[in-house]
Amino acid sequence: EPEVTQTPSHQVTQMGQEVILRCVPISNHLYFYWYRQILGQKVEFLVSFYNNEISEKSEIFDDQFSVERPDGSNFTLKIRSTKLEDSAMYFCASRARTAEAFFGQGTRLTVV
Amino acid sequence: GIQVEQSPPDLILQEGANSTLRCNFSDSVNNLQWFHQNPWGQLINLFYIPSGTKQNGRLSATTVATERYSLLYISSSQTTDSGVYFCAVEGNTDKLIFGTGTRLQVFP
Repeated sequence: EPEVTQTPSHQVTQMGQEVILRCVPISNHLYFYWYRQILGQKVEFLVSFYNNEISEKSEIFDDQFSVERPDGSNFTLKIRSTKLEDSAMYFCASRARTAEAFFGQGTRLTVV
Repeated sequence: GIQVEQSPPDLILQEGANSTLRCNFSDSVNNLQWFHQNPWGQLINLFYIPSGTKQNGRLSATTVATERYSLLYISSSQTTDSGVYFCAVEGNTDKLIFGTGTRLQVFP
């Protein structure tokens, strides 16, 4: 069964460093998303991406964040200068048009 | 934006018991999904159910879109059902809005 894959599963980084989280969405999907979940809290929307551009972003998704689809298969989230409060589980999701969204297994980011 | 509330926040059951989890939302939705977050943090799709009723083994779900709620039924619960259950809805914007979840613990 097709699935969304994320790498790495866990990343530890020093405050102020840049991180890139990677995702391979399901191959025939057109809509891509990043969500995050701070430990013990609910899952929050960060950004949606369609047709090679951002379609919507939340207040959390400030200038420190960026997304890219560098080739036909990968979808990345970059955090330029990490802060302690960026520590969270980051989920990538994808879906076909007006259909069920599927989530990757998540990347647990720890900023120290 | 749409508000999504789930109840109860916590649920403790003995193995074999049945349970009903509820999701209320504040506006009409185009999409509603139920997820199980397992102890490793993975979000597992349970149901894609913007309306109607679906069943999958011991789990079933019903969404009454006109009354803005959805129910997830778990029958004959097992310890592997433990985790957090999230309801997520999509309104007029292209994103899922998650509820705060129901934390389920099933003891043998």
